[in-house]
Amino acid sequence: EIVLTQTPGTLSLSPGERATLFCRARQSVSSSYLAWYQQKPGQAPRLLIYGASNRATGIPDRFSGSGSGTDFTLTISTLEPEDFAVYYCQQYGSTPPWTFGQGTTVEVK
Amino acid sequence: EVQLVQSGAEVKKPGESLKISCKGSGYTFNKYWIGWVRQVPGKGLEWMGTIYPGDSDTRYSPSFQGHVTFSVDKSISTAYLQWSSLKASDTAVYYCARSAILGTISQLDYWGQGALVTVSS
Repeated sequence: EIVLTQTPGTLSLSPGERATLFCRARQSVSSSYLAWYQQKPGQAPRLLIYGASNRATGIPDRFSGSGSGTDFTLTISTLEPEDFAVYYCQQYGSTPPWTFGQGTTVEVK
Repeated sequence: EVQLVQSGAEVKKPGESLKISCKGSGYTFNKYWIGWVRQVPGKGLEWMGTIYPGDSDTRYSPSFQGHVTFSVDKSISTAYLQWSSLKASDTAVYYCARSAILGTISQLDYWGQGALVTVSS
């Protein structure tokens, strides 16, 4: 099983600031099969990024993903009020289980 | 429009059985894997496993293997998650979600609204 560790656990920022979230895997994630999801309270998760760096349909370009192998990053270039939420990474590489990280909370400072 | 609509909240006692549903619409249901994800209140997402409606090929997370069963009814475009004997620790919100790429296990692009299962004596 590939364990994903997200850091930091909580990020306290103000609207307009840049957010950088990290996801580290204990083993290499094949073919960069790494996704990022956003979840707001009481809602289902929403796909933001897939294949480490591809934005999902309808996702604003202030969201970007990068990385390969074991280290991945989600960047929100300029935080909007609606971006304060919990973010999860997930790997969906060669073999199950296709695990999630424990999440990073982006909160208003 | 692709939609996944899940059955409603359930309250059950330990030891009881339960089957919850996830109905897909707006796409060819048989050709996209459906995943199941658990979220204990206040906690993170846990990948439980996935099923391919076309042939019921199933992959379970070791953490859930033997405790839950996935199934589908292709005739009504519905996937199911069932327990034969619930435990209090099964209390959680359960999401179904579609794998984005036809015929391939991939990122989850459409999600159901979630079904809260509460197990309490």
